[in-house]
Formats: sequence, structure tokens, C-alpha cells
Amino acid sequence: SYELTQPLSVSVALGQTARITCGGNNIGSKNVHWYQQKPGQAPVLVIYRDSNRPSGIPERFSGSNSGNTATLTISRAQAGDEADYYCQVWDSSTASVFGGGTKLTVL
Amino acid sequence: EVQLVESGGGLVKPGGSLRLSCAASGFTFSNAWMSWVRQAPGKGLEWVGRIKSKTDGGTTDYAAPVKGRFTISRDDSKNTLYLQMNSLKTEDTAVYYCTTVRQGVRFNYYYYMDVWGKGTTVTVSS
Repeated sequence: SYELTQPLSVSVALGQTARITCGGNNIGSKNVHWYQQKPGQAPVLVIYRDSNRPSGIPERFSGSNSGNTATLTISRAQAGDEADYYCQVWDSSTASVFGGGTKLTVL
Repeated sequence: EVQLVESGGGLVKPGGSLRLSCAASGFTFSNAWMSWVRQAPGKGLEWVGRIKSKTDGGTTDYAAPVKGRFTISRDDSKNTLYLQMNSLKTEDTAVYYCTTVRQGVRFNYYYYMDVWGKGTTVTVSS
């Protein structure tokens, strides 16, 4: 079965750039999507198909995907960006797969 | 505005059954693929399954842990998605989210959850 690996936590100073990685075997050949989940709330899609932002998502959120790693980048991090972030792909044998999630802390 | 509202959660004993509903509005439900995603307390997201639109065959797919026990269905006349859960286990305890699905092909097949409901809580305990 296909697996996605994310760091448990990432910390970033206020106003700096946070990078959250999502590792998977040849993930660069897949379409990767990212979700943000704040405490007590439902997840929200922030990046789809590697690097596209849904309407309403700030330009500070961007994504990339190559080789065995996809990355969600949050520029000029704000306190309101503190949340859990999940990557997700579709795999032909495993169906929809989520990474374990990364807790982002803004210091 | 696209809106998804889940209902039907509650406390059920192991081995019992429960049916969740998801009322959809703000979009053409009959054309939409839909899915269920769950989240156990303090854990990450887990895809439960999906149902295609009737024009795309209306078929369903399930994650291995729920296959044979859970059934996803839809009533397009009522703009409602369902999740019938049978033979419930304690490990099925979770918040269950209803989502819309976007899918297609861009170099490879893509599938993601576009809009999420607020979720409904299912607790399986004796």
C-alpha cells in the first residue's frame, strides 16, 4: 500500500517561511493536495494538484512536488496559520491516502 | 454557497448499526462525486469511501477497514448522501465528514476533497 510521510511538527517564527514536507515513493508522479485543519474545525483545502490555490486561500500558500517529496510552503507566516496540515494523493492500489499530518507552530 | 451538513451521529454499542446523512445545498448534487472521511480522536484523517455520480455509474469504493461493513448511497431527489455503518467496532469511533470530490486526469489521475461539512461524531462503546 502507498504511504505518505510527514514530520510530526514544524515551527516557524512569525513572518518567516514555513515548509512542510510530504514524502512518498515517486510522489512527483502523482497529484498532491493539502488541507489545513484548525482545532475543532473541519479541514479546508489549501492547495490542489500540487500548486493550485482555491479561491479565498492567500497567495502566501504555495506548493511544489518533485521526486519523492512534495512541499507546502507558507510565506510570511501568521499566528492564524497555526494548524495541522495534511497532504493527500490518490493511489491506484490504495485509493485515497492521507499523510499523518504536521502540526505547525508559529513562534 | 456550497454547504454540507452531516447528521445522525451518536453513541452505539459494538456490533450495532448507525446511518449518517449529509444534506447538500448550493450546487448540483446529482452531478457530484461525494466521499466520507473520518478522524478518530486525536488522530489524522482517514478516507472512508466514495460514490460517483449516477451519470458516471453511481458506483462506490471503500477503504479496507470498512469494506463489507459500510455502505455509501445517495438520494439525488433529496440532495442527500448517506453512510450506513454496520457491525460497528470501537475503532470506528470518529468524527465523520462528508465532502465533495473533484477528480480527473492531469498527467495522472487526481482526486481531492473540495468542500467539507462540519462533521458528526460517532462513538462506539459498550
